[in-house]
Amino acid sequence: AQSVTQLDSQVPVFEEAPVELRCNYSSSVSVYLFWYVQYPNQGLQLLLKYLSGSTLVKGINGFEAEFNKSQTSFHLRKPSVHISDTAEYFCAVSRGSGGGADGLTFGKGTHLIIQP
Amino acid sequence: DAGVIQSPRHEVTEMGQEVTLRCKPISGHDYLFWYRQTMMRGLELLIYFNNNVPIDDSGMPEDRFSAKMPNASFSTLKIQPSEPRDSAVYFCASSSRTGFLSNGYTFGSGTRLTVV
Repeated sequence: AQSVTQLDSQVPVFEEAPVELRCNYSSSVSVYLFWYVQYPNQGLQLLLKYLSGSTLVKGINGFEAEFNKSQTSFHLRKPSVHISDTAEYFCAVSRGSGGGADGLTFGKGTHLIIQP
Repeated sequence: DAGVIQSPRHEVTEMGQEVTLRCKPISGHDYLFWYRQTMMRGLELLIYFNNNVPIDDSGMPEDRFSAKMPNASFSTLKIQPSEPRDSAVYFCASSSRTGFLSNGYTFGSGTRLTVV
């Protein structure tokens, strides 16, 4: 079975500083990987995804992530954060051979706190 | 499109009462997912449907939980009888098989259930 570990439950960072949110996964099959963002009292929105090809993927709002197969990681980065980036961030992996259409397994989330 | 619509947004009920959560997926999406979000366990997949048929309900915690999808535009998640440990935010998400690879899942805003 697939699993996702987000190593930090909370990450405080100053505005305009860079940030990295860490994600490690385990899977016995090829996977698709995703990062979602959840703003307060809202549902989840897709930030970016890795399906295949280039290991560096770019998403919305200036975020990017790098897939590292040997380290089974998919860390999320942003070079300069803004107050509006304050939210909960979830890493997710496709559950099985269905490539995600059969459900995603989510990590427990990382709360990104931007300090002015 | 109005997105995935969930109702009610908030539900407070007494232990032992029946609770019904509702979801209207995006038109044309043939996959529908029910997730539960708690602080302790994060996001858990409860059940998913494909073309209105339940495919995997292994995440449903116990027999008190049931879900139906009578047509392509409506799904319910029912808890009977409800217990305080069922308190959580319940999300519905929908997707299409091809659209998933481009856009991931579309989540509703969730129903916050409190059982007292």
